[in-house]
Amino acid sequence: NAGVMQNPRHLVRRRGQEARLRCSPMKGHSHVYWYRQLPEEGLKFMVYLQKENIIDESGMPKERFSAEFPKEGPSILRIQQVVRGDSAAYFCASSTGTARSAGELFFGEGSRLTVL
Amino acid sequence: AQRVTQPEKLLSVFKGAPVELKCNYSYSGSPELFWYVQYSRQRLQLLLRHISRESIKGFTADLNKGETSFHLKKPFAQEEDSAMYYCAVVSGTYKYIFGTGTRLKVLA
Repeated sequence: NAGVMQNPRHLVRRRGQEARLRCSPMKGHSHVYWYRQLPEEGLKFMVYLQKENIIDESGMPKERFSAEFPKEGPSILRIQQVVRGDSAAYFCASSTGTARSAGELFFGEGSRLTVL
Repeated sequence: AQRVTQPEKLLSVFKGAPVELKCNYSYSGSPELFWYVQYSRQRLQLLLRHISRESIKGFTADLNKGETSFHLKKPFAQEEDSAMYYCAVVSGTYKYIFGTGTRLKVLA
């Protein structure tokens, strides 16, 4: 099991462009989380998805950000019309999760977005 | 709203000294609490969870509901313990909220 795979590891965009970050969860995991890490701020929850469903997107900015986890393929975090403030490391994590207990989160290596 | 506070950004101790990384949480229900660790050039990974009541790599953490704390402790720090440590609380069964992290440096 290769673990949670994120790509690209590094992405450079100019202001106004779009950024797409991809995350393939561990095999057998149906729960995906996205976190943003800014300096001095730790890991900030953005969105939690299960296959084809957004369960909780309370941490996502209302505009320009969207996430999906289709039936087939990786989860995608999409940032439209990027601004300098979007520069950060974006981490994906996956878990099995159950109705009784939160599962262990397995993290990817992160995608570092730099907006010029 | 759920919140996790880790008051120390950096904690430096000498090898062999005791370590305590502080974590306080705010959560109205019955929380699940975790410590995650990120060693240099490695992924963030689970260190321990309160429901397991286990000791991992010599670390323990006790949930104190009265003080809403979940401090991480180790009696004798080792150089290989140097890492970034994150405390996390889980809302319901899925929403992980992380603190800002504490960088532990163990000095020789």
